[in-house]
Amino acid sequence: GESVGLHLPTLSVQEGDNSIINCAYSNSASDYFIWYKQESGKGPQFIIDIRSNMDKRQGQRVTVLLNKTVKHLSLQIAATQPGDSAVYFCAERFKAAGNKLTFGGGTRVLVKP
Amino acid sequence: DSGVTQTPKHLITATGQRVTLRCSPRSGDLSVYWYQQSLDQGLQFLIQYYNGEERAKGNILERFSAQQFPDLHSELNLSSLELGDSALYFCASSRGGQNTEAFFGQGTRLTVV
Repeated sequence: GESVGLHLPTLSVQEGDNSIINCAYSNSASDYFIWYKQESGKGPQFIIDIRSNMDKRQGQRVTVLLNKTVKHLSLQIAATQPGDSAVYFCAERFKAAGNKLTFGGGTRVLVKP
Repeated sequence: DSGVTQTPKHLITATGQRVTLRCSPRSGDLSVYWYQQSLDQGLQFLIQYYNGEERAKGNILERFSAQQFPDLHSELNLSSLELGDSALYFCASSRGGQNTEAFFGQGTRLTVV
């Protein structure tokens, strides 16, 4: 199935530093990827997306990098702030599977003041 | 605020019972997606509706069903509830049926006792 498991890696970052969150996706035919942020008690919040015909996309303080050769996605957060503390999920879409999103297990980011 | 509204926020019910979770998508969004988030399984896609019709199915149990109404709101029905059904249930919506830029509601926390 699409179980993503219990393990939740944690990234501790000093306030003001840059954060890099990594994600290995499973399907080389996935054509679209999204990063979500989930704060405690809230639903996942869309951060940024990227299509498979791109390898980099920038937003406000965030950059997503896609390396299709090794099926790797990363989210870079510049000048990390306390409000960035959350669990971050990557998700991949495999169009031939009905466009459903498959989520990774998540990474917890803790920002230290 | 994502614009996706879910009710109720919390639900406590006994095993064997049936509950209905409700989702109102963002204005103009035609697709509704349901997800289950539990501690040991992460975010699991359940089902997608697009403009009233089922579009994609994920790991949805036979005891669960959903529908999308003409006004585009959706309901997820969970029956013969078991302790293991305790989880957060999220609804997300997107403009089209391609599962791009899906925005999540705040979720319904279901506790089965």
